This record gives sequence, structure tokens and C-alpha cells, in this order.
Amino acid sequence: DGGITQSPKYLFRKEGQNVTLSCEQNLNHDAMYWYRQDPGQGLRLIYYSQIVNDFQKGDIAEGYSVSREKKESFPLTVTSAQKNPTAFYLCASRWGLNTEAFFGQGTRLTVV
Amino acid sequence: AQSVTQLGSHVSVSEGALVLLRCNYSSSVPPYLFWYVQYPNQGLQLLLKYTTGATLVKGINGFEAEFKKSETSFHLTKPSAHMSDAAEYFCAVTEKTSDSWGKLQFGAGTQVVVTP
Repeated sequence: DGGITQSPKYLFRKEGQNVTLSCEQNLNHDAMYWYRQDPGQGLRLIYYSQIVNDFQKGDIAEGYSVSREKKESFPLTVTSAQKNPTAFYLCASRWGLNTEAFFGQGTRLTVV
Repeated sequence: AQSVTQLGSHVSVSEGALVLLRCNYSSSVPPYLFWYVQYPNQGLQLLLKYTTGATLVKGINGFEAEFKKSETSFHLTKPSAHMSDAAEYFCAVTEKTSDSWGKLQFGAGTQVVVTP
């Protein structure tokens, strides 16, 4: 089955630790996205990538980093510099500008 | 630069009544517009999209939306609400410009509650 997979579903980390969220897609999509979702704030764009080895900052990139070494994979690292990392993180991918984005099931990160 | 505004963070409708969710966009060029639905603790799924052509777009589950360039709006409607429509709905925009190529921007969302 084609789709986009985020893992793990739930993640707990201690404050000050970096953590990497996985996002893999087998849809052969060029573009991939990371969003953060907090209650009442909708989806805020963290980073996006149109092609391999290229990515752009979104609206809230501070404290996050990404890589795009393979077309299928777009991991997100939440660094210790992110002041309030507890949130629901969503990854998405799509073919192009006028096509729909497909979403993963999300990772709920809790930092204690 | 592109952006999208959803009016009303919460909407309550009676079962069988009209559902109307408002979305206004800001874009320097003709935009591509999308509506998505999200159920609790899940990802988003597409309801419908406008790219070019017919301005009245029909989607899944009886939803439709009309692109109105003069009003910069893309409101979502459903004639008769069902209990299963209770969810959060997001409007999204992409525009084809050099400074925001590929950027997919979402609104803050509207939570829909359906009462019996």
C-alpha cells in the first residue's frame, strides 16, 4: 500500500535532549512538509522540501532541523533550542503545487 | 505572500442543518485552494480542491466549495449536516510564485460540533 508513515506515534523526551521524528513516503512524491499543530493555532509550517538535497524554512523553523538525502525520507530533528517542543507533528507529501498533500498519522511529542 | 484566514474557530450546527465554513485567502497570483478534514489524533484528508476551471467544486461526503476571486473567498458548505461531520476543518493555499514556491499554508482551523 502506498502511503506516508510517521514514527513513532508517541514520543517522550527529557528537556534538553534532541529528538528525531521519522517521515517516510512510498508515493514517489517530490515535495515533503513538516507541520506543527497546537490547539487553536492550526498547522504551522516548519520546513518543506521540493527536491532531494534542498529544503526551505517555513514560518516557525527556529529550533528545528531537517535533511532530505533521499526522496522517500524527510526526518525532522527537534533540538534543545526549541523552547516549547511539546506538540503534535504532522508530515505530508505531494506531487506538485496543484495536487493534494497526503498526511501521515502524526507524532505526538511530549517533553518533560 | 500567501495566507489564509478561517472565520470562526468553532461552529455548532444541528443535524440536518446547513454547514457553512468560511475561508478567505490572500495571494498575489491565482491560488490553488484546498479544504481538509481532521478527526481526533489523526492526519488530514482532502475534502476538495480548486486549481483552475469551474469555480464550484464538489468534494467527498457531500461537501462543496465555491472559489470567488472578487471576494478572495473559498467557503465550504454542506446542505445537511450529519453527526459524522463533527471534526476539524482546515483551509489551505498554495501560490506559484518564486518566493513561496511549493509552500502550502493552512488556516487556523474550524472545529465543527453537530448536535442532535
